Amino acid sequence: DIQMTQSPSSLSAPVGDRVTITCRASQGISNYLAWYQQKPGKVPKLLIYSASTLQSGVPSRFSASGSGTHFTLTITSLQPEDVATYYCQEFTGVPYTFGQGTKLEIK
Amino acid sequence: QVQLQESGPGLVTPSQTLSLTCTVSGGSFTNAGAYWSWIRQHPGKGLEWIGYIHYTGKTYYNPSLESRITLSLDTSKNQFSLRVPSVTAADTAIYYCARAFEGYYFDFWGHGTPVTVSS
Repeated sequence: DIQMTQSPSSLSAPVGDRVTITCRASQGISNYLAWYQQKPGKVPKLLIYSASTLQSGVPSRFSASGSGTHFTLTITSLQPEDVATYYCQEFTGVPYTFGQGTKLEIK
Repeated sequence: QVQLQESGPGLVTPSQTLSLTCTVSGGSFTNAGAYWSWIRQHPGKGLEWIGYIHYTGKTYYNPSLESRITLSLDTSKNQFSLRVPSVTAADTAIYYCARAFEGYYFDFWGHGTPVTVSS
């Protein structure tokens, strides 16, 4: 199975800051990567697919990049409503695996 | 807009069978690119893909769970189901049903149903 490792596990930043979360795959996955946002007590929401394509309706302050084994999710100007846990997910094939999550808080 | 809704018992006795059903509305259940999925989240933990089923009946399971789970579907009711026999406390989790677009990423999710395994 492909292992997905996110860093950091948690972070805290002030409103307006630029925030970057990293996801690394244990082997190359091309651009077969998605990012999800899960707000406290809520359902995961698809933010990004194919490593860098923004899902419809997702604010433009979210962006992502990467290919192969190294990927990043960036929030250009952190907002209070971005408090959530963020997960990456690879989709090269069965079994699909998620990263362990990055918990983002406001400082 | 595709909508999914899980249903099933919130409490299951150890060694019994957990059965959950997901009802899909607002979209084509028999869309060739839709793979109907189950994902679970243990308390305070991350996400675990359980498996998915295509409307043709083809199933794909997480190998770590394959020996224990069964997915099925009823196209006449736009429903798909998860069956987990002989549950233990380790099966306590929130269970989500979701649509995997082209079998890849999960673009529509149900609200999730919490399941507790306890006597």
